[in-house]
Amino acid sequence: DADVTQTPRNRITKTGKRIMLECSQTKGHDRMYWYRQDPGLGLRLIYYSFDVKDINKGEISDGYSVSRQAQAKFSLSLESAIPNQTALYFCATRGNYGYTFGSGTRLTVV
Amino acid sequence: GQQLNQSPQSMFIQEGEDVSMNCTSSSIFNTWLWYKQDPGEGPVLLIALYKAGELTSNGRLTAQFGITRKDSFLNISASIPSDVGIYFCAGQLIQGAQKLVFGQGTRLTINP
Repeated sequence: DADVTQTPRNRITKTGKRIMLECSQTKGHDRMYWYRQDPGLGLRLIYYSFDVKDINKGEISDGYSVSRQAQAKFSLSLESAIPNQTALYFCATRGNYGYTFGSGTRLTVV
Repeated sequence: GQQLNQSPQSMFIQEGEDVSMNCTSSSIFNTWLWYKQDPGEGPVLLIALYKAGELTSNGRLTAQFGITRKDSFLNISASIPSDVGIYFCAGQLIQGAQKLVFGQGTRLTINP
C-alpha cells in the first residue's frame, strides 16, 4: 500500500456541487498538507495541519475547507465547486526526513 | 505570497546531454528540495539540501544550496529517457510554520 493514499484519483463534478477529496497516510506523521497544482504555477498550499486540533490556512484557502478526522486522515472539501477549481490536488505528509506526496486527485469542474 | 522563480520552464534536449535548472527567490530558506514528477504521480524527492553552500549528489544528479540561501540549482548529467518529467524546486521558509514554497516547474523532454 502507498504511504499516502488519495481518493478518488479522478473526479468530474458540476458547478455548485459539494465535493470531498480524501487523504490517508500510514507514515504516522503529524503534519499533513493539501496542495493544488496548475500548469505553469507549481504547487500552491491550500491548508495544512500540524495535528488533529491544529488547522491552518495556506496561500489559497478561499473556497476550500478541511477536516482532520484523525492523525492519519485529512480531507479537503469544496463547498460549492466552480470551474476555476479544476486542477490536480495533492495531499502530503511531513516527517523528519521530508515530505511524502500522494499520487494526486485530478478534479474537473464543469 | 512568497515565490520561487524556476527556470527554464521547459527544456528539449538530446539523450546524453547534460541538463541544468535553477531557482531563485527574494526570501531566505533553510532547506532546498528538488522533486521530480512523473505523469499521473505526485512529486518524488530527489535531493534535499540543508546548509548554505552545500553541494549534494544523487547518482547523475547534483544540486547546490546557494550561499545567500536564496537560490539553488540542479544538474543532471548524461540524460537518459527516464529523466523525462517535471522537476520542481521547493524552499522551506525559516520563519513561522516553515512551509514549503514551490517553483513553477521545469518540464524536461528528451529526444532519443
